[in-house]
Amino acid sequence: DGGITQSPKYLFRKEGQNVTLSCEQNLNHDAMYWYRQDPGQGLRLIYYSQIVNDFQKGDIAEGYSVSREKKESFPLTVTSAQKNPTAFYLCASSIDLRENEKLFFGSGTQLSVL
Amino acid sequence: DQQVKQNSPSLSVQEGRISILNCDYTNSMFDYFLWYKKYPAEGPTFLISISSIKDKNEDGRFTVFLNKSAKHLSLHIVPSQPGDSAVYFCAAGEKLTFGTGTRLTIIP
Repeated sequence: DGGITQSPKYLFRKEGQNVTLSCEQNLNHDAMYWYRQDPGQGLRLIYYSQIVNDFQKGDIAEGYSVSREKKESFPLTVTSAQKNPTAFYLCASSIDLRENEKLFFGSGTQLSVL
Repeated sequence: DQQVKQNSPSLSVQEGRISILNCDYTNSMFDYFLWYKKYPAEGPTFLISISSIKDKNEDGRFTVFLNKSAKHLSLHIVPSQPGDSAVYFCAAGEKLTFGTGTRLTIIP
């Protein structure tokens, strides 16, 4: 069964702590993305990757970092520099970065600050 | 600057009636538009799309209309069913710029 798996479903961060959100896909997609959703707001793009070992900042990349060492995996690290990390984080993938390619989303990770 | 706007944060519709969700965009370079549906604590799922070379695309109960001159698109759901209650996002562009979403509630 092909899809995108995000883990954990819920995550708590202490002040000054870095946390990493996992995203794995077995759809053989080249492009992967991280979005953040806040209440009453749309999905805002944090980072995206078109291919292995390459990634680009999205609209709100400050306080976040990513890596793309394998095609299947695109982990997101929320660093201590992100002052307002509480949000619902969504990972997505698509065949490639073309405009007409639809995105497939994972089920999300809710991050909260203790 | 919000390039994709959904000005109605919520909409309530009687079961069996038509639901109309609206979306406006500012970037005339957008050539492809998508609608996603999202349930709470889940990822969005793709619903329907439309290319700028068309003005209408239909898939079962769902129809999307595009008015390029007005930079406006709308999603029609007919007839509306209780399972349609969700948040609907329109999106456009190469890396998908999303609107803020409209929460649709279908009243039985």
